[in-house]
Formats: sequence, structure tokens, C-alpha cells
Amino acid sequence: AQSVAQPEDQVNVAEGNPLTVKCTYSVSGNPYLFWYVQYPNRGLQFLLKYITGDNLVKGSYGFEAEFNKSQTSFHLKKPSALVSDSALYFCAVRDQGVTGGGNKLTFGTGTQLKVEL
Amino acid sequence: IAGITQAPTSQILAAGRRMTLRCTQDMRHNAMYWYRQDLGLGLRLIHYSNTAGTTGKGEVPDGYSVSRANTDDFPLTLASAVPSQTSVYFCASSALSGSAGELFFGEGSRLTVL
Repeated sequence: AQSVAQPEDQVNVAEGNPLTVKCTYSVSGNPYLFWYVQYPNRGLQFLLKYITGDNLVKGSYGFEAEFNKSQTSFHLKKPSALVSDSALYFCAVRDQGVTGGGNKLTFGTGTQLKVEL
Repeated sequence: IAGITQAPTSQILAAGRRMTLRCTQDMRHNAMYWYRQDLGLGLRLIHYSNTAGTTGKGEVPDGYSVSRANTDDFPLTLASAVPSQTSVYFCASSALSGSAGELFFGEGSRLTVL
């Protein structure tokens, strides 16, 4: 079975400060890992993904995430937060060893990011 | 480019009524999915389809059915709606079935069952 945990319901950060949104995962084999962002009353938008290779993945809008296999984590980071980054962020995982069934992702419960002036 | 179009945007429905949520994509993606989003629970997969003519059950399939007659359309039907099906429903698609292709989401359909 595959699962993902986002331990923080909400993260508050001042504009210009670095931000981190945490994610840990559990899979039987190796993971595909994703981050999505959701703005109010909108669908989810893809930010970045880890498949294999370099542990630091760079994505849209200046976001990046670091894959840490020993800690089974995939935290989302940004060096300097903007007020416009305020949104709901979802981490998702898929076990690479699971065949068939399309790209069935398991999502976390989401972390609300609030960036204040 | 429209991507994924969902209809209706929102609907209030009496319990026991039948409802179909429509989903159309113009990206020629093979795989399509239906998720429901509930506060504190994140997104949960209801049904999916790897390609036209095939469907599969997700994490929470009970009370829902889907069909995939062609590549572009993937309707979700509630045969007899119940209040616990009040939720926001998202349709999604991906280009690469069984791989690491990212999902593209529609804008959602907000359903209230009274």
C-alpha cells in the first residue's frame, strides 16, 4: 500500500522568508512523488515531480523539493515566499512497483500556506 | 486550450436522485480519473480509466459508476445520491498510463446532496 502524510495543516510565513511544506511517504518499492497547488475554487495544478536521479527537483514558480530516501521525505521549499504563493498544497505518491491501474496517485490531506506581508 | 471541462460547476440535489457529472478532455490523454475532495481528507480516487473501453475502481467507488465510451469523455454517475456524497468532485487526466505522467485537473464540480 502507498500513503503520504502532510503533518502540518497550515504553515505561516512572512513574505521574503524561506518556506518549507513537509511531506513524508510510504511505499513498498521506489516512489514517484508529486507536488500540486490549489488556489481557492480552482482545480489542482502540477508543480513538480520526482521520478529518479537528482534528489533536488526544481519546478514552477521558483519552487523546489528535495527527495530524501532515508527519511522517506519530499519537502517542498522556496527560498523567498510571496503573498501570491498563499494556497493549498498537496503532496502525492505512486509506488513505481505497482503496475496497471494508470497513474493512481495517493494524495496527502493538504497544507494551507499563508504568506503575510 | 481548454484542457479538462467539467459540468456542472455546482449542483444542489435531493437525496435519492440520479446525477451525472460530465468530464471532457481535449488533450487526447489515455488515462482519466475521478477524485472527490473533502476537508481534512484530501483527494480520494473514486474510479479511473486507463484507456477507452476500460474502467477500474479506486479507493472509494461505492455509490458511483463510470463509463469510458471514447477517449475524450468520462462521466461519473451517482445512481441514488446520499448526503455523504456531498463533496467537490475533480476529473483529471494523464498522458502516460501506468507511468509517472502528471495529472491535469478540471476546475471541479461542487455537489450538495440534501
